Amino acid sequence: EAGVTQFPSHSVIEKGQTVTLRCDPISGHDNLYWYRRVMGKEIKFLLHFVKESKQDESGMPNNRFLAERTGGTYSTLKVQPAELEDSGVYFCASSQELRGLTEKLFFGSGTQLSVL
Amino acid sequence: QKEVEQDPGPLSVPEGAIVSLNCTYSNSAFQYFMWYRQYSRKGPELLMYTYSSGNKEDGRFTAQVDKSSKYISLFIRDSQPSDSATYLCAMRDNAGNMLTFGGGTRLMVKP
Repeated sequence: EAGVTQFPSHSVIEKGQTVTLRCDPISGHDNLYWYRRVMGKEIKFLLHFVKESKQDESGMPNNRFLAERTGGTYSTLKVQPAELEDSGVYFCASSQELRGLTEKLFFGSGTQLSVL
Repeated sequence: QKEVEQDPGPLSVPEGAIVSLNCTYSNSAFQYFMWYRQYSRKGPELLMYTYSSGNKEDGRFTAQVDKSSKYISLFIRDSQPSDSATYLCAMRDNAGNMLTFGGGTRLMVKP
């Protein structure tokens, strides 16, 4: 079974440019999460999709970030325009269960974003 | 103050040693406690998952939760070089699905 796939694995862009990150969750997983880790900080929650609906987007830092999950399959996270402080590792995770003791998140390997 | 505190290490131990990793937290609403292992250039991988207080054992790994002290631990017995990784604690409350992570402890097990 394929795991959570993220593309690209690395992205280097200049300040002011636009970048789009993609996440393909495990097939059949309704829950999809975005997290990110900026340099020297903890991994922090960005948002949570259930199928194509945004369940919780309280972690999105500002309106330069736009996440979509059309059709409830893969998801994209667009940063426009990118700023220096957006540099970090962006993780996607998916799960089959909602709440409860049995929810297990499967993380992708992340996209390393560098804004110069 | 961070919601979850975790010593970043690095923690270096010889092969076969017992390893103790810890996190403290401030939010008494946290009910679910997890330990993740992360290898270099990989995403976090769930190791242990406990609800409320108590102990849970899985092979060489034991997770402990002390809610009265707001303190959780992960013990690794008979540590192996393949255990060398960053260990992250994470927790959440009953209200939602958002995980709050500690900063991670880097562990090195030397042969």
